[in-house]
Amino acid sequence: DGGITQSPKYLFRKEGQNVTLSCEQNLNHDAMYWYRQDPGQGLRLIYYSQIVNDFQKGDIAEGYSVSREKKESFPLTVTSAQKNPTAFYLCASKADSSSYEQYFGPGTRLTVT
Amino acid sequence: QQPVQSPQAVILREGEDAVINCSSSKALYSVHWYRQKHGEAPVFLMILLKGGEQKGHEKISASFNEKKQQSSLYLTASQLSYSGTYFCGTDNQAGTALIFGKGTTLSVSS
Repeated sequence: DGGITQSPKYLFRKEGQNVTLSCEQNLNHDAMYWYRQDPGQGLRLIYYSQIVNDFQKGDIAEGYSVSREKKESFPLTVTSAQKNPTAFYLCASKADSSSYEQYFGPGTRLTVT
Repeated sequence: QQPVQSPQAVILREGEDAVINCSSSKALYSVHWYRQKHGEAPVFLMILLKGGEQKGHEKISASFNEKKQQSSLYLTASQLSYSGTYFCGTDNQAGTALIFGKGTTLSVSS
């Protein structure tokens, strides 16, 4: 089945540690996105990539980093510089720049204590 | 800048209608609507494009007023399955990333 995989579903880390969230898609989509979801805040864009080896900052990129070395993979690293990292993180993909529908993964809930 | 959605929450009984609004302070190229059920990923509902084109999967209608930079989602004869949080996403240029609103939570009871 084609889709987006995010792992793990739940992730716990100590404050001060960097943590990398995985996002893999087998839809052959060009574009991939990372969103952060907090209660009452909607979906806020962290980073996005429209093509391999290229990515752009979203509205809340500070404290996060990404890479796009392969078309199917778009990992997100939450660094110790992110002041409030506990949140639900959603990855999405879209076929190409002319398509409309974004397909979302199941999300990873990160808790930092 | 995030589009503004209203109302924040709606409570309905089965069969009742609801309207969810989305407005932006910037000129819009398109408005996208997604629904997220509790504990699940958001799912695409429809897109409304500048010029009047509309594309969607489900039997949910929407309007897009380009001059007012607003869109409305119309949920008629609501069903239990309509429950969830509805997000609008906007862009002001083709190919750019969407900015999503904070969401409207719809609860439908029997």
